[in-house]
Amino acid sequence: GAVVSQHPSRVICKSGTSVKIECRSLDFQATTMFWYRQFPKQSLMLMATSNEGSKATYEQGVEKDKFLINHASLTLSTLTVTSAHPEDSSFYICSAPLQKIAGEPADRDTQYFGPGTRLTVL
Amino acid sequence: SQQGEEDPQALSIQEGENATMNCSYKTSINNLQWYRQNSGRGLVHLILIRSNEREKHSGRLRVTLDTSKKSSSLLITASRAADTASYFCATDTLWGYNKLIFGAGTRLAVHP
Repeated sequence: GAVVSQHPSRVICKSGTSVKIECRSLDFQATTMFWYRQFPKQSLMLMATSNEGSKATYEQGVEKDKFLINHASLTLSTLTVTSAHPEDSSFYICSAPLQKIAGEPADRDTQYFGPGTRLTVL
Repeated sequence: SQQGEEDPQALSIQEGENATMNCSYKTSINNLQWYRQNSGRGLVHLILIRSNEREKHSGRLRVTLDTSKKSSSLLITASRAADTASYFCATDTLWGYNKLIFGAGTRLAVHP
């Protein structure tokens, strides 16, 4: 089945540094990927939609200059947390939907989630 | 912002019992999906139900959808200790195809 990977799985950094998180679709192409953030004991909050070959679209309240998204290829999206601060410590998860293709079974728009990246900013 | 609420927030049961979790949402949807998340881990897709479907089964899972009430339920029958996890519903809304909006989640604990 479709697999989405994330790297790194865990990162600890000092306040003020930038951290890049990669999200890869391993056996399918993803023109769209989504980035979520999850604080402890909370639900997933959608941060932004990553679009291959164009600018990402951000959800209300998410700073685009702080969370830089680059979707450089059909299998890779990156999220860079710039000038990270302790309040950015969170679990970051990406997802990629299998795009619906005409004639394909309807369930192909199921999304596949990466295993997540735990960011700790000291 | 989150689409809706889930209840209960936490559920504690014994092995063999059934677990029912409910999800309500606010806007019209294409489909609704249920996911499981073990502590500190990624999401596992459980089941997807479309807006024109009312009930769906997968193994020990049964999902219902009532679009008139904007609600869904997930039933896990004959629960096992391995079912201990957080369960989230997520809606794929009409205005954002494939952009999932998650509920608050239910933390299920199944005791041996």
